[in-house]
Amino acid sequence: EAQVTQNPRYLITVTGKKLTVTCSQNMNHEYMSWYRQDPGLGLRQIYYSMNVEVTDKGDVPEGYKVSRKEKRNFPLILESPSPNQTSLYFCASSLFFSHGGSTDTQYFGPGTRLTVL
Amino acid sequence: GENVEQHPSTLSVQEGDSAVIKCTYSDSASNYFPWYKQELGKRPQLIIDIRSNVGEKKDQRIAVTLNKTAKHFSLHITETQPEDSAVYFCAAGITGGGNKLTFGTGTQLKVEL
Repeated sequence: EAQVTQNPRYLITVTGKKLTVTCSQNMNHEYMSWYRQDPGLGLRQIYYSMNVEVTDKGDVPEGYKVSRKEKRNFPLILESPSPNQTSLYFCASSLFFSHGGSTDTQYFGPGTRLTVL
Repeated sequence: GENVEQHPSTLSVQEGDSAVIKCTYSDSASNYFPWYKQELGKRPQLIIDIRSNVGEKKDQRIAVTLNKTAKHFSLHITETQPEDSAVYFCAAGITGGGNKLTFGTGTQLKVEL
């Protein structure tokens, strides 16, 4: 089954304790992205990646790191989490290029609800 | 960068009525406009999208219209049903341009019986 997976789904942690949220897709998509969703603010992009070893900042990158060592994985790293990073996080992927077909649909993972105390 | 504004933030309609959600965007280079539906506790899912070479697109009870000159696009849902109750997000981006999407802030649609 084609899908985007994230782990963990729920996480409660404390300020300053490094954490990683994993994201994996099995659709051979080039493009992957991380969003955070907060009430009244919609989905805001944190980082994105157009292919292996190519990453770029989105609209709210402060306090986050990412890496793209393999095509299927795009982990989100919080080196020193703070309470303002409490949010719902979504990973998404899409096919960046194809020969004439629709390539822009972003498929979202199930979400990770993070609470930083 | 791109800025997308979405209105209204909440919308309540009676079952069977129509619902309209409107979005405006700022970057004239944007040419791809998807709409996502997010049910409570679930992930956003694409319901319809439109590219700037067309002005309207329909899929059963859902339609999207685009006015590139005015930089606005709208989602129309006809004959609303309780299962249409969800949060709807519009987005704007450049097709093939790294697929970077900028999302609106969402509309909570409630369809009342």
